[in-house]
Amino acid sequence: QITLKESGPTLVKPTQTLTLTCTFSGFSLTTSGVGVGWIRQPPGKALEWLALIYRDDNKRYSPSLKSRLAITKDTSENRVALTMTNMDPVDTATYFCATTAFGSGWFGPHWGQGILVAVSS
Amino acid sequence: SFVLTQPPSVSAAPGKTASITCVGNNIGSKRVHWYQQKPGQAPMVVIYYDTDRPSGIPERLSGSNSGNTATLTISWVEAGDEADYYCLVWDSSSDQYVFGTGTKVSVL
Repeated sequence: QITLKESGPTLVKPTQTLTLTCTFSGFSLTTSGVGVGWIRQPPGKALEWLALIYRDDNKRYSPSLKSRLAITKDTSENRVALTMTNMDPVDTATYFCATTAFGSGWFGPHWGQGILVAVSS
Repeated sequence: SFVLTQPPSVSAAPGKTASITCVGNNIGSKRVHWYQQKPGQAPMVVIYYDTDRPSGIPERLSGSNSGNTATLTISWVEAGDEADYYCLVWDSSSDQYVFGTGTKVSVL
């Protein structure tokens, strides 16, 4: 059974750096073609893709946020981390991690439950 | 950047058909995926690669993609189909995944 779970702070102050962790089980990032992505959703708004990482450490970032994002993996601990710098209230959102397969072009079928992060002073 | 536009809302009576469009420049040349999201839940893919359904998704849900419009069609609408729906593509020219603006489906 494949599961993913996001963890991290639920409240950060403007200008701070956010680090979220996606801890997963039931699959390994040592498997060829396997990847994990991050997607966020502001309250009442649409989904937005942020970043993804594959087994071979191939990384992709949203062009509009690339300067603020960093994605890393810890294969031995089955974790993927996302760091976002210079947080702003507009970054208030639920952040999801999800599985992906190289070249598939979509996320899933396995998603985490999401973590709501508020940015406020 | 590549933009995908969906109608904010679509409604249909039980047993009728709901069609959700996803408009983007030459989207027919890309592979489109559709997600259903119910309140408080993570999105769930209901159509991938334009027309394919994951196991467990009823045949009532179907997809098509041509020209500048991709469409998710829900036939024989049921109360359980009430949700937000999003399209998704990988845009190779801008090297990014792009979600549509989202459509709320209401069952009358």
